[in-house]
Amino acid sequence: EAAVTQSPRNKVAVTGGKVTLSCNQTNNHNNMYWYRQDTGHGLRLIHYSYGAGSTEKGDIPDGYKASRPSQENFSLILELATPSQTSVYFCASGWTGANTEVFFGKGTRLTVV
Amino acid sequence: SQLAEENLWALSVHEGESVTVNCSYKTSITALQWYRQKSGEGPAQLILIRSNEREKRNGRLRATLDTSSQSSSLSITATRCEDTAVYFCATDEGNNRIFFGDGTQLVVKP
Repeated sequence: EAAVTQSPRNKVAVTGGKVTLSCNQTNNHNNMYWYRQDTGHGLRLIHYSYGAGSTEKGDIPDGYKASRPSQENFSLILELATPSQTSVYFCASGWTGANTEVFFGKGTRLTVV
Repeated sequence: SQLAEENLWALSVHEGESVTVNCSYKTSITALQWYRQKSGEGPAQLILIRSNEREKRNGRLRATLDTSSQSSSLSITATRCEDTAVYFCATDEGNNRIFFGDGTQLVVKP
């Protein structure tokens, strides 16, 4: 069973503060993803990575940075958090190649006040 | 723009009934995936159907794919209360980017 672990599971941040969401996967998957989920918008891709040292912009990258220091870890960074970034964030991992499944973590609920 | 989208926000059925969730997409794809998300969890894949396949089954689940109309359906037979979840279709363009629709909330009542 693929294991993707996110931390923290819940976070309250202040507007203008820096927030780092962490993700760890133990399956040696090449690809990792960060999505946010809001009511009425499904899952939207923020950043993704093909391997250690690589980060790519997804559909809604503005206001977010990503870091992939190793195969196992992928972080999402909000340098200046805003209330509009209040959401549930999901990390996922998967193999390189077409037609592959992605495995999701349990999500991080972020509230920016 | 939404590359994949389910056609209904919500569905409600009684246990034992069958239900179908539909999805349409806008781009050329190599595969379409169906995911289920239960409350408080991340999505989990149910079925992956490749662009050269027309139908795929997984137990009580059956997915179809029509590339000419760019649509797919997921049917669940003999529904159970534990099938209550949000169902997403997701498109894979073969470049490791997977786009999800907004999801359809299915409620299965006892």
